[in-house]
Amino acid sequence: QKEVEQNSGPLSVPEGAIASLNCTYSDRVSQSFFWYRQYSGKSPELIMSIYSNGDKEDGRFTAQLNKASQYVSLLIRDSQPSDSATYLCAVKGAGGTSYGKLTFGQGTILTVHP
Amino acid sequence: NAGVTQTPKFQVLKTGQSMTLQCAQDMNHNSMYWYRQDPGMGLRLIYYSASEGTTDKGEVPNGYNVSRLNKREFSLRLESAAPSQTSVYFCASRPTGIAKNIQYFGAGTRLSVL
Repeated sequence: QKEVEQNSGPLSVPEGAIASLNCTYSDRVSQSFFWYRQYSGKSPELIMSIYSNGDKEDGRFTAQLNKASQYVSLLIRDSQPSDSATYLCAVKGAGGTSYGKLTFGQGTILTVHP
Repeated sequence: NAGVTQTPKFQVLKTGQSMTLQCAQDMNHNSMYWYRQDPGMGLRLIYYSASEGTTDKGEVPNGYNVSRLNKREFSLRLESAAPSQTSVYFCASRPTGIAKNIQYFGAGTRLSVL
């Protein structure tokens, strides 16, 4: 079983709709969770981080974390064509020996069509 | 402020050739990482360096070596390139302190091994 799994894509939504991206992880003691956006041919850029159960909002983006269910999601409201990209879920393990190492999911390709 | 700089941006090798991918960061970060990204597989950790003078294996270290030359520079070496090492390689660095869980990525090196 892959340690971090994302919902299979690609995901296509119309402009103005809500895009929902999902991620599950297997390591129950994971502490930190991240969403990176990666445009085609570019490097990943961090868009959201979340550490506690519940919701965290930043503009049109909302990250949701449920540690009991080992589930983290990203909602993009009022989706724009410029949101079209690959979204990567990343999980950091617990403890001082993790040295900040991240485990990435395989990514979900999102296309927002006008 | 350049952030994380990777060289070269593109490289084509023949099977059996060797090369070194260079990475340098100017943000005074302690930890540095090398990832590879293949289609549909997200990013996989090759090697990391928690601090100057230390290196350790990640998820897919076979066929690679690394050197943490100083705090700024972390290089990745392919001693005898194989077609399976065709990939996009990303270097990342991570600060200590408040933002310690966030990794910052370079622009990537696109490597083809023929």
